[in-house]
Amino acid sequence: AQRVTQPEKLLSVFKGAPVELKCNYSYSGSPELFWYVQYSRQRLQLLLRHISRESIKGFTADLNKGETSFHLKKPFAQEEDSAMYYCALLGTDKLIFGTGTRLQVFP
Amino acid sequence: GAGVSQSPSNKVTEKGKDVELRCDPISGHTALYWYRQRLGQGLEFLIYFQGNSAPDKSGLPSDRFSAERTGESVSTLTIQRTQQEDSAVYLCASSFPGLAGYEQYFGPGTRLTVT
Repeated sequence: AQRVTQPEKLLSVFKGAPVELKCNYSYSGSPELFWYVQYSRQRLQLLLRHISRESIKGFTADLNKGETSFHLKKPFAQEEDSAMYYCALLGTDKLIFGTGTRLQVFP
Repeated sequence: GAGVSQSPSNKVTEKGKDVELRCDPISGHTALYWYRQRLGQGLEFLIYFQGNSAPDKSGLPSDRFSAERTGESVSTLTIQRTQQEDSAVYLCASSFPGLAGYEQYFGPGTRLTVT
């Protein structure tokens, strides 16, 4: 089965604290994974993709095939990072989204 | 060019009425998706169109839900005999499968309220 699991519905941290949003996947084959973000009153948009090995807005995500994980990390959270984050897997023919994690960063 | 657009932006309807939601994808995007986002919930896949292939309807929650797409352009999502549990934001996204890795571009959504 092709599946994306985001175990946390809500993650709350204080500004400056490290953040890790968890994502685990189930896929037979070489996965392509993405993180999408939805800020308040904005459209859902692509944040980063694992094949680019990029850092966007200080966020990084490393694919760990052994643990079938693609956790999103940032060393020092900012208030403007507060948003809904979705992990997504490119399945056989379409993207499969997780249920999302809401990140709240308190001042 | 413009991004994905959806109309109406808000729709309030009475229980039992039918509603139609419209999505205009980015020109040239062959793939089109509908999702539902209930208050406080995650993204729920509804249906997927890819070119001239048969749509993937595996996410439609009941036979009250249906969707059509005209060629590779406009799509309409129809909900018949609406129920209060249909209240949600309905999102449309389009993409052009290829080297970009299926990045999806989302519309602003239609907020449906069933009273």
